[in-house]
Amino acid sequence: RKEVEQDPGPFNVPEGATVAFNCTYSNSASQSFFWYRQDCRKEPKLLMSVYSSGNEDGRFTAQLNRASQYISLLIRDSKLSDSATYLCVVNNAGGTSYGKLTFGQGTILTVHP
Amino acid sequence: DGGITQSPKYLFRKEGQNVTLSCEQNLNHDAMYWYRQDPGQGLRLIYYSQIVNDFQKGDIAEGYSVSREKKESFPLTVTSAQKNPTAFYLCASSIRTSYGYTFGSGTRLTVV
Repeated sequence: RKEVEQDPGPFNVPEGATVAFNCTYSNSASQSFFWYRQDCRKEPKLLMSVYSSGNEDGRFTAQLNRASQYISLLIRDSKLSDSATYLCVVNNAGGTSYGKLTFGQGTILTVHP
Repeated sequence: DGGITQSPKYLFRKEGQNVTLSCEQNLNHDAMYWYRQDPGQGLRLIYYSQIVNDFQKGDIAEGYSVSREKKESFPLTVTSAQKNPTAFYLCASSIRTSYGYTFGSGTRLTVV
C-alpha cells in the first residue's frame, strides 16, 4: 500500500462547480497534513494545512478524519484559475519536528468555461 | 525577499558526466530536501538534511550525492551512476515539517 494515495483524476468541471478530492494515508502516527497546488511545469506551493477540526480558506475547505486516515479538499465555485494538480501531503516524522513529508501522486483538476 | 533559489533552471548532461544542481535559501531554515519528479508522477525524496554537516538518504538516493557545509546551501550532484537522470528536480526547505515546505522553482535535467 502506498503511504499516501489519491485519485489521479483527471477531474473536468465547469466554472462554478463544487469539486472534492480525497486522500488516504497509511501511517497512523502521521502528525501534519497539507494540500499543495502545482501548476504545469512549476514547483508545488502550499495551498493550506489540514487541521483536526477541519478548516476553511475562502472557497477551499479541508477535512481530516484520523480514525479513517482520510483527508479531503473541497473547492466551491470553481474558477478557471483553479486548474492545476492538487497534492495531498503527509508528515511521517512520527511526532518529531523534522523528518520528511510524503507526497501523493496528485489529482489533476481542469475547470472549463 | 526570503526564498529558495535553484540554478540552473535547465541543465543538459552528456552520458557519463557528473552534474551539480545548486540550491540556496535565505529563510534561515534548518532542514533542506531534494525531490525528483518524473512526468505524471509524484515527488520522490532523494536526500534530506536536518542540520549542517548531516544528511540522510531518501527513497531513491542511488546515483546521487549531497553536501551540507553551510546552513544556506544544499547542492545535489547527479553522478554517472544514475542511469535515468532526466527529470524535474525540486529543492525544498522547512523550519519544521509541521509548517510544510517552501520549494525552489526547480531544475529540469535532460540527458543528451
